[in-house]
Amino acid sequence: NAGVTQTPKFQVLKTGQSMTLQCAQDMNHNSMYWYRQDPGMGLRLIYYSASEGTTDKGEVPNGYNVSRLNKREFSLRLESAAPSQTSVYFCASKVAGSSNQPQHFGDGTRLSIL
Amino acid sequence: KQEVTQIPAALSVPEGENLVLNCSFTDSAIYNLQWFRQDPGKGLTSLLLIQSSQREQTSGRLNASLDKSSGRSTLYIAASQPGDSATYLCAVRKDNAGNMLTFGGGTRLMVKP
Repeated sequence: NAGVTQTPKFQVLKTGQSMTLQCAQDMNHNSMYWYRQDPGMGLRLIYYSASEGTTDKGEVPNGYNVSRLNKREFSLRLESAAPSQTSVYFCASKVAGSSNQPQHFGDGTRLSIL
Repeated sequence: KQEVTQIPAALSVPEGENLVLNCSFTDSAIYNLQWFRQDPGKGLTSLLLIQSSQREQTSGRLNASLDKSSGRSTLYIAASQPGDSATYLCAVRKDNAGNMLTFGGGTRLMVKP
């Protein structure tokens, strides 16, 4: 029972490099989310996908792009990484249209940009 | 803009104590409030979800209360155990249509044997 799987778990990049963070869920959830968590702060929403084929900006979308590849997969891309994007990135998923159901989180990707 | 604050940022207690974690939010127009647990190096696990029309929710040794009018929620942990050591985060949801959760910064709890 994998739940939400994120790859890679750790990554170090140089400023200006690009990379894609992968997320896959096996719970047949419609909605998927990308958050970042900085030290001493709560999670902030970067982008979300309410259903397959749709994506919307969250609180801090600048510098990121997303792709909802299919119902299972939702990727986050950094086109030109900056030190300010050093953070822990979490992917989450949820049953769509059900306000009483919580989001399920992956274990995170720890990203350092030098 | 909604702001969520959790005090204290860190807490250390001896095993067996009952304890209360606090969460406050600036905009009382919320749809629900959730409490999460985060273990080091792990993602978030949902503990309790309280709808705006509810006053409290209970799960085992955990009890969460909500006072929407005053913008406050508390998470009560009874008879704390070393296994309760983790970071606890609260998050509020604005409305039924929205997908955005606004998180507090968390309270890092250590329960000493």
